[in-house]
Amino acid sequence: QVQLQESGPGLVKPSQTLSLTCTVSAGSISSGRYYWSWIRQPAGKGLEWIGRIYTSGSTNYNPSLKSRVTISVDTSKDQFSLKLSSVTAADTAVYYCARTSGSYFNHWGQGTLVTVSS
Amino acid sequence: QSALTQPASVSGSPGQSITISCTGTSSDVGDYKYVSWYQQHPGKAPKLIIYEVSNRPSGVPDRFSHSNSGNTASLTISGLQAEDEADYYCSSYTSSTTNWVFGGGTKLTVL
Repeated sequence: QVQLQESGPGLVKPSQTLSLTCTVSAGSISSGRYYWSWIRQPAGKGLEWIGRIYTSGSTNYNPSLKSRVTISVDTSKDQFSLKLSSVTAADTAVYYCARTSGSYFNHWGQGTLVTVSS
Repeated sequence: QSALTQPASVSGSPGQSITISCTGTSSDVGDYKYVSWYQQHPGKAPKLIIYEVSNRPSGVPDRFSHSNSGNTASLTISGLQAEDEADYYCSSYTSSTTNWVFGGGTKLTVL
């Protein structure tokens, strides 16, 4: 079954841009009619959907983060990526990538902790 | 503050049943078709257990069930087992705005 794996720096300085990549394996990112999402979870807190992308490049973002978020896809590498600009300590969280099937998230990566600190 | 309201914690003994509520508005939970539930064990990624109201992914036991009443969705776990101890999150998708909101999570303790 499909597997997802997040990668990227675990430490980002305030005001800089957070960049993460999700690699999809055991299945092509282009197979099936799926969207691919980013979701985050601050320590001890709930989940927050960040945005999603289709393999065509079509995106949707959480309105609360839209001005700072860019999600892109590279189908040749079976990867999609997240960029979050102007980060602050409030962006410190575990970031998950997930396959999105309609209204739900049915496959998740293991998550990667990103800490915003100088 | 999360968009959907869940109790912070619930508990039950093995074999008992518990219910976790998830309250939203008529724009999200009240439009019941797109509610899903996730189970998260400590240090692990969330796992889908209920989707689109009453569907369970392969491998999720039928001890997990969902119901709706107005703007409140509920997850019921019957025949509690020790491995059910985890955090549970509800989520609602709003198609008109293409947005998801989550509850703050409920910690289930199996006594």
